[in-house]
Amino acid sequence: DTGVSQDPRHKITKRGQNVTFRCDPISEHNRLYWYRQTLGQGPEFLTYFQNEAQLEKSRLLSDRFSAERPKGSFSTLEIQRTEQGDSAMYLCASSFSATNTEAFFGQGTRLTVV
Amino acid sequence: GESVGLHLPTLSVQEGDNSIINCAYSNSASDYFIWYKQESGKGPQFIIDIRSNMDKRQGQRVTVLLNKTVKHLSLQIAATQPGDSAVYFCAEKNNDMRFGAGTRLTVKP
Repeated sequence: DTGVSQDPRHKITKRGQNVTFRCDPISEHNRLYWYRQTLGQGPEFLTYFQNEAQLEKSRLLSDRFSAERPKGSFSTLEIQRTEQGDSAMYLCASSFSATNTEAFFGQGTRLTVV
Repeated sequence: GESVGLHLPTLSVQEGDNSIINCAYSNSASDYFIWYKQESGKGPQFIIDIRSNMDKRQGQRVTVLLNKTVKHLSLQIAATQPGDSAVYFCAEKNNDMRFGAGTRLTVKP
């Protein structure tokens, strides 16, 4: 296991289409986080999971966004009816559950909505 | 590489000089902090962390200082190299993890 893996690395989609991203965390990590990052900004928190339970969702996560982690391992983030404002880098991170443990990021999925 | 918004705070240093990057955090109850380095088009990379029961922690060429009284973190990079050029973020990690605005470090040869 070499780290957090995200797929795809890049996605171009037409406005109104649905997209789904996948994140594979570091094995043994039971926390998984999703972030969105636009140019010149820091990562904005979207949601996080403790095993398969989604424990917190940001108000940034509109009804068009849904995240799952069905077996407590990989996670998916789906955006329905994409809008141009959804264009961003979507980042995933994982850590052990204790708050004072390191969190490691994947390389992100760059979404462009045209 | 991709362009970065001009409103991002910037720090420009000469190669070989020391760099100091500052960060203010918001939650006085936070007890764990991480510094990340992010290069263009890549995910944030873990650099160093510090727990609230410490005020200083050293790594290889990097030192993090924590001042809980004023809710301030700093990252010191010794003998800055061109490869250190990147955007640096501090993060408060509680149950979730929240990031500061970031600072773009540019190292001049």
